[in-house]
Amino acid sequence: DVQLVESGGALVQPGRSLRLSCAASGFIFTDYAMHWVRQAPGKGLEWVSGVSWNSYTVLYADSVKGRFTISRDNGKNSLYLQMNSLRVEDTAFYYCSKGGCSSTDCHSGASWGQGTLVSVSS
Amino acid sequence: DIQMTQSPSTLSASVGDRVTITCRASQTVSSWLAWYQQKPGKAPTLLIYKASSLESGVPSRFSAGGSGTEFTLTVSSLQPDDFATYYCQQYNRSPYTFGQGTKLEIK
Repeated sequence: DVQLVESGGALVQPGRSLRLSCAASGFIFTDYAMHWVRQAPGKGLEWVSGVSWNSYTVLYADSVKGRFTISRDNGKNSLYLQMNSLRVEDTAFYYCSKGGCSSTDCHSGASWGQGTLVSVSS
Repeated sequence: DIQMTQSPSTLSASVGDRVTITCRASQTVSSWLAWYQQKPGKAPTLLIYKASSLESGVPSRFSAGGSGTEFTLTVSSLQPDDFATYYCQQYNRSPYTFGQGTKLEIK
């Protein structure tokens, strides 16, 4: 079975940094693109970022471009999201998701983790 | 960015009803559209990809169609487990935007 386990969520002050991790198992990690999707409490879904299987293609939402960096370590079956210059509006549950194919051209949510909460507040 | 608009935002229905949710894109997304179901406190799950392809394991009472800018998700006979929030998402062009969601409630 596909398993995606996020970690790294925390309460942080505006302007600080945080790194999220997602440990993947139950599938061939290098066969799939990976994505981050977030959801502010009580709100809808927002796609944040995606990375192709070989990291050649990385994509970002306008709201995080220049502040967030997605990366993956295929040797460790892990996905990461480095979040810098955090803002109050970045407060959300962050979900790791497996794409539908190796490139970022497929649907981004074939499987999802349980989410990790990032709270940005002074 | 491509804007995705779902209608209605809330839908009240009864077990056994047939319901349809609509998703409209601000510009063409071809058939690069997915539908997700989300229950309270849980992660979303994939129902449909490429506009009309049913994800493995999803009940056949779910169907979807459309192309270009207008898409639909239909549940042929609502079951108690289907009351949830549904989202469409386009993946034709980054950023891969979601609709605002449609909450399906029990009447």
